[in-house]
Amino acid sequence: EIVMTQSPGTLSVSPGERATLSCRASQSVSSNLAWYQQKPGQAPRLLIYDASTRATGIPARFSGSGSGTEFTLTISDLQSEDFAVYYCQQYSNWWTFGQGTKVEIK
Amino acid sequence: QVQLVESGGGVVQPGRSLRLSCVASGFTFSNDGMHWVRQAPGKGLEWVAVIWHDGSKKYSTNSVKGRFTISRDNSKNTLYLQVNSLRVEDTAVYYCARYWGSGYMNVWGRGTAVTVSS
Repeated sequence: EIVMTQSPGTLSVSPGERATLSCRASQSVSSNLAWYQQKPGQAPRLLIYDASTRATGIPARFSGSGSGTEFTLTISDLQSEDFAVYYCQQYSNWWTFGQGTKVEIK
Repeated sequence: QVQLVESGGGVVQPGRSLRLSCVASGFTFSNDGMHWVRQAPGKGLEWVAVIWHDGSKKYSTNSVKGRFTISRDNSKNTLYLQVNSLRVEDTAVYYCARYWGSGYMNVWGRGTAVTVSS
């Protein structure tokens, strides 16, 4: 099983600042990597797929990068609605999620 | 609009069964594979099972093999998860999600909660 490890566990950021979230795979997943946002009491929402492609309707302040085993989600100019938990997921070999990074208001 | 609505959750005793359903609308259900994903209280997301668009292939995570069965009825635009021999550790919100592209999940339902407790 491919293990996905996200860091940090919690990220404290002020509105308007940039947040950088990391995701590492235990073996290469090529570009088969997605990022999801989840707010309390809500279902996850797809943000990024194929490591760097924004899903429909996702603002340009969300960007993804990386390939192989190292990936990054960057949220520039954080808005109030961006404070949430973010999960990475690989779909190269079955499907596994990272444990999540909580982005909270500093 | 594209929508998935789960139902069938509830509170059950260990060892009992439930059938979860997910009704799809706003897209051609029979064209798309579907996933079940679960989330235990306060925990992260765990992939549970997947089924191909025509039901020809089904896969599930090891922890539910032999207990959970994914199926679909394309004539009813409905996905199912039969959950048998429930354990306390199966307590979670169960989400259905549409399989898109190379396997990611581009549409999610709001989930149905399963609580296993004696």
